[in-house]
Amino acid sequence: DIQMTQSPSSLSASVGDRVTITCRASQRINSNLNWYQQKPGKAPELLIYAASSVQSGVPSRFSGSGSGTDFTLTISSLQPEDFATYFCQQSYNTPLTFGGGTKVEIK
Amino acid sequence: EVQLVESGGGLVQPGGSLRLSCAASEFTFSDYSINWVRQAPGKGLEWVSYISSSDNFIYYADSVKGRFTISRDNAKNSLFLQMNSLRPEDTAVYYCARGIGYCRGGGACYGPTRFDYWGQGTLVTVSS
Repeated sequence: DIQMTQSPSSLSASVGDRVTITCRASQRINSNLNWYQQKPGKAPELLIYAASSVQSGVPSRFSGSGSGTDFTLTISSLQPEDFATYFCQQSYNTPLTFGGGTKVEIK
Repeated sequence: EVQLVESGGGLVQPGGSLRLSCAASEFTFSDYSINWVRQAPGKGLEWVSYISSSDNFIYYADSVKGRFTISRDNAKNSLFLQMNSLRPEDTAVYYCARGIGYCRGGGACYGPTRFDYWGQGTLVTVSS
């Protein structure tokens, strides 16, 4: 199975900050990497797919990059509604594994 | 608007069974793969199972293989998860999620595969 490791597991940031979350795969997965946002009590929502493609309706401040084993989710200017938990997920093969999550909290 | 609505969750004793349903609407259900993803209280996301659009490819996480069975009824726009021999560690919110892309023989996935719509989830609690 492909293991996905996210870092950090949590971070504190202020509105307007640039935030970067990383995800590392235990083997090469090309660009088969998705990012989801989850708010408390809600279902996850797709933000980024194929490492860098922004899902329709997602604000342009969200971007993704990477290929192979190392990936990054960047929020260019953190907004109040962005405080949430973010998960990466590899879509290279089954089992379709997720990272452990990164909780973005208000500083 | 695409809708996925899960039902069937509840409290069950260890060793018991439960059948979850997911009702889909506002899209052509038979064109899409569907997945079950679960989340234990306060924990991360765990993919549980995948079924292709015409149910000819099915995959499970090792943690549920042999105990859970995924199925679908394209005529009724419905997805199911039959859960047997339930354990306390199966306690979680179970989400159905529409899949873009597909997984084929050997489990390799293409598309690129991602989950673009999710239901609101149904809570399964396994406890005596």
